[in-house]
Amino acid sequence: GAGVSQSPSNKVTEKGKDVELRCDPISGHTALYWYRQSLGQGLEFLIYFQGNSAPDKSGLPSDRFSAERTGGSVSTLTIQRTQQEDSAVYLCASSYSGRGGTDTQYFGPGTRLTVL
Amino acid sequence: GQSLEQPSEVTAVEGAIVQINCTYQTSGFYGLSWYQQHDGGAPTFLSYNALDGLEETGRFSSFLSRSDSYGYLLLQELQMKDSASYFCAADFSGGYQKVTFGTGTKLQVIP
Repeated sequence: GAGVSQSPSNKVTEKGKDVELRCDPISGHTALYWYRQSLGQGLEFLIYFQGNSAPDKSGLPSDRFSAERTGGSVSTLTIQRTQQEDSAVYLCASSYSGRGGTDTQYFGPGTRLTVL
Repeated sequence: GQSLEQPSEVTAVEGAIVQINCTYQTSGFYGLSWYQQHDGGAPTFLSYNALDGLEETGRFSSFLSRSDSYGYLLLQELQMKDSASYFCAADFSGGYQKVTFGTGTKLQVIP
C-alpha cells in the first residue's frame, strides 16, 4: 500500500511568514510523529499524536509551532512567523499503534523548509 | 533527560565488518531500535531489541545489554550501498510514548 506522504517536498519562505506542512500517514496507523532534522544532525522530536489527541507536545520548540490532526489521519504542522533557525527538514512518521519501540515507525520523505 | 550517545562517524572497508555502538540512560528504558538513513532519504527501520542478546537479520545484527545500558548494530560483508547514517532510538516506556533518537553515526564504506 501507499507509504507516508508529505507535502510540499520543498518550501522556501521569507522570514516572518507562516507555513503549513502536511502529512498523510499510512491508512490505519493511529500514531503519528513529527520530527525536525537539521543538516547532518539527528532527529529532533517535535510532537506525537495518538488518534486526534497529542499526549506529548514536549518537543515543540516555541509557541510559534503548532500541530493538529483531524479524523485520525492527516496532520498539519504550522510554523508562524518563521525564523531562519527554523530551516530544516521536517519529517513525519506513522506507526500502527504507537506502542513505542515495539512498533515500527514509517517515515515520509520529509519537507525541506528554507527560511530566507 | 533521556539521551543516547553514538560515535559521529565511522569508516570501514567494503567486505569488512563494522560495529556501531549506542549507550543510553537507563531510567524507564524499554527497548532499542535502529534506523538507517541515506543522504537525502527518510529513515527506515532496521531492527528492535527489547531483550538482551543478539537479533540477526541477514547481514545486519543488533545487540542489547541492559546491564551495561549499551547496544550495537553490527554490519557484515559491508557493501558500498551501506554508506548511510545509522540512528539508535530508545523507547523509554514501552507504552504509548515517543521514541528518542540518538544523534546518528555516519558510516562511510570505502573500496
